Amino acid sequence: AQKITQTQPGMFVQEKEAVTLDCTYDTSDQSYGLFWYKQPSSGEMIFLIYQGSYDEQNATEGRYSLNFQKARKSANLVISASQLGDSAMYFCAIPNSGNTPLVFGKGTRLSVIA
Amino acid sequence: GAGVSQSPSNKVTEKGKDVELRCDPISGHTALYWYRQSLGQGLEFLIYFQGNSAPDKSGLPSDRFSAERTGGSVSTLTIQRTQQEDSAVYLCASSSRRESNYGYTFGSGTRLTVV
Repeated sequence: AQKITQTQPGMFVQEKEAVTLDCTYDTSDQSYGLFWYKQPSSGEMIFLIYQGSYDEQNATEGRYSLNFQKARKSANLVISASQLGDSAMYFCAIPNSGNTPLVFGKGTRLSVIA
Repeated sequence: GAGVSQSPSNKVTEKGKDVELRCDPISGHTALYWYRQSLGQGLEFLIYFQGNSAPDKSGLPSDRFSAERTGGSVSTLTIQRTQQEDSAVYLCASSSRRESNYGYTFGSGTRLTVV
């Protein structure tokens, strides 16, 4: 079964600074995708960014980018120019074998400090 | 609909009672998922429906949990004889194969409290 490991239970970052949230995974699939979600205190899960395992370039979406290192099985999320509204839980996820359902890590709580 | 709708948003029930949680997915999404999130924890997969295929029930924690999806659309998660450890936020999500790179769209969840 697939497994996601997020080793940082909590992170603090100064407003306007960049922060990296770690995610490593274990999969036996050759082709897979990696997803990051944001969960604010209101509870909804918001899709942020996707990385395909065969994508040649790291995914970027606005202030979000992925540092994807396939050989190391890591897909770290980089948030640039942090804003107070970025304070939330962040989850990394990978589809289970056979492409569904998504398996989530335990999450990292990011706190942005003014 | 425009998004995934879940009802009720909050449910308080007495231990031993049965509860039903409803999920209305995005129109046209063939896949529907139920997850459970206990306080401060990650998401625990419960059950998955894909089109007309038999559901993947591998995540259901006990036989007190069941779910159905009628007409390939609305789904109901039923918990019988609720226990205090069932207290959690129950999240429903749906997805489309054509938009697989966008992952799932989640509802706002049902917060279940068993007293």
